[in-house]
Amino acid sequence: DGGITQSPKYLFRKEGQNVTLSCEQNLNHDAMYWYRQDPGQGLRLIYYSQIVNDFQKGDIAEGYSVSREKKESFPLTVTSAQKNPTAFYLCASRPEGAGGGWEQFFGPGTRLTVL
Amino acid sequence: GDSVTQMEGPVTLSEEAFLTINCTYTATGYPSLFWYVQYPGEGLQLLLKATKADDKGSNKGFEATYRKETTSFHLEKGSVQVSDSAVYFCALSGGNKLVFGAGTILRVKS
Repeated sequence: DGGITQSPKYLFRKEGQNVTLSCEQNLNHDAMYWYRQDPGQGLRLIYYSQIVNDFQKGDIAEGYSVSREKKESFPLTVTSAQKNPTAFYLCASRPEGAGGGWEQFFGPGTRLTVL
Repeated sequence: GDSVTQMEGPVTLSEEAFLTINCTYTATGYPSLFWYVQYPGEGLQLLLKATKADDKGSNKGFEATYRKETTSFHLEKGSVQVSDSAVYFCALSGGNKLVFGAGTILRVKS
């Protein structure tokens, strides 16, 4: 089955530690996205990538880093510089080149809790 | 910049009631509009979409019409079920990004 996988589903880390969230897709999509979701605030864009080896900051990139070495993979690192990292993180992908009418497809999410 | 405003929730309805969730937007150009649904602990699923003015998106009994004159994309369903309980997000496509509303919690009682 084609889709987006995120692992792990739940992640616990101590304050001050970096942590990397995995996102893999087998949809052959060019563009990939990372969002953060907090209660009552909807989704906020962290980073996105339209092609391999290229990515752009979203609205709340501070304290996060990404890489895009393969088309299928777009890992997100939450660094110790992120002041309030506890949240639900969602990865999404979209086929590129078809303009704004194409929807994004979402993974199941990773809930990160920093203790 | 582009923005989406949804009615605040939670919206609580009895089974078989009529549902309306209001969504209005501000955008430059002619965005595509989407409704996504999120069940507890899961990612978002596309519910329906419309790509130009006067288009009606529909799926699973839900409908929404792209109204350019009122910059709205209200979600409606004639008869809700308990299984429709979820968070609903309105979104617009601004170039290669999506802009989301804050989400509206729907609770349906049996």
